[in-house]
Amino acid sequence: GAGVSQSPRYKVAKRGQDVALRCDPISGHVSLFWYQQALGQGPEFLTYFQNEAQLDKSGLPSDRFFAERPEGSVSTLKIQRTQQEDSAVYLCASSLGWAMRNEQFFGPGTRLTVL
Amino acid sequence: AQSVTQPDIHITVSEGASLELRCNYSYGATPYLFWYVQSPGQGLQLLLKYFSGDTLVQGIKGFEAEFKRSQSSFNLRKPSVHWSDAAEYFCAVAIVTGFQKLVFGTGTRLLVSP
Repeated sequence: GAGVSQSPRYKVAKRGQDVALRCDPISGHVSLFWYQQALGQGPEFLTYFQNEAQLDKSGLPSDRFFAERPEGSVSTLKIQRTQQEDSAVYLCASSLGWAMRNEQFFGPGTRLTVL
Repeated sequence: AQSVTQPDIHITVSEGASLELRCNYSYGATPYLFWYVQSPGQGLQLLLKYFSGDTLVQGIKGFEAEFKRSQSSFNLRKPSVHWSDAAEYFCAVAIVTGFQKLVFGTGTRLLVSP
């Protein structure tokens, strides 16, 4: 009965380092979303997967951000050459289907701090 | 562009008192509207949603919200607040793109005083 899990929960990176953030969605969930939540702000959409297909990546802030979901389950968000402005909580969510009425279930997030 | 405004950054309510959190949206079509709650260290949890039909929507934990098209609002209410309701509350609108693409407001932090 596990929900969405994310790892690591906290990550500290030096500016210029690459990081990889993992999301384990609820088993059987077709849709997977990544959001970025800066301090004091609401979550902002980054990208969307339907199974292994990345159907929308319009929210990725730069080409340093890359997401994948190769087998349609676990997803990884990778940030290359991290910058201080990348410091945020990265939230993953999954939903059973792709219809508008399907509820998104959110993980606890990964807090990334770039020094 | 689609947007959500939550005009109150912080609200303090006495335990047992009523609560109303404001949300205004900007969206050209019929909106799909949501309220989420976020407790420290926890993910977002859906409180309630509006897609169509009755404009007064009931949710979990005793919350309700009313959709008012004329005011572009979707305010969240609770008749009697409990200390455990202290959290951050986010209003969101879904853009109809073939999947549920959410646009969130900046949130309202609810503090509950004894």
